[in-house]
Amino acid sequence: GAVVSQHPSWVICKSGTSVKIECRSLDFQATTMFWYRQFPKQSLMLMATSNEGSKATYEQGVEKDKFLINHASLTLSTLTVTSAHPEDSSFYICSATSGPYGETQYFGPGTRLLVL
Amino acid sequence: DQQVKQNSPSLSVQEGRISILNCDYTNSMFDYFLWYKKYPAEGPTFLISISSIKDKNEDGRFTVFLNKSAKHLSLHIVPSQPGDSAVYFCAASQGAQKLVFGQGTRLTINP
Repeated sequence: GAVVSQHPSWVICKSGTSVKIECRSLDFQATTMFWYRQFPKQSLMLMATSNEGSKATYEQGVEKDKFLINHASLTLSTLTVTSAHPEDSSFYICSATSGPYGETQYFGPGTRLLVL
Repeated sequence: DQQVKQNSPSLSVQEGRISILNCDYTNSMFDYFLWYKKYPAEGPTFLISISSIKDKNEDGRFTVFLNKSAKHLSLHIVPSQPGDSAVYFCAASQGAQKLVFGQGTRLTINP
């Protein structure tokens, strides 16, 4: 149980284009979903927290207009990187929690984004 | 401000021996701690967790110890297997709040 999927697993795009990444909880309803990014040889950095039906809460330094998050249902959250630039190239990972306490986060396999 | 620290970036252990990964934290409000295992280009996989009301939790070959007075937790893997080679992250949270991750420790199990 507690399977989280992400799509696509990797994407290459031109600078200035927008890229959408989907995160789905396959066998449970996710009350909260999180989006992280990881640079090489660094830890996971939380970008934002989203609850179904409400606006995402962004971490300090993360541009909400650049990284659009939509948590449309209890099983789907999307991250759209708008007007992507080479410095946005990174490994993006989502996670999801369920239940009233939701301490344990289950992670998706990640999406590698390369902006040319 | 690094609230969760893994001071050893790497660890090498002989197959069959015990692997001990360490993690320190500074925020005394953390009450839930987790260990994740991560392979390159994959998302982290949940391994084991412990709440602050306990000092030990065991699941098969994995045991997590929590020393609240020292603000220290450790993950013991015994016996270590080649498939355990990965990067291990400890993480902490306060209630159901966001997780704070350590920098990770790369564990290599030598045959």
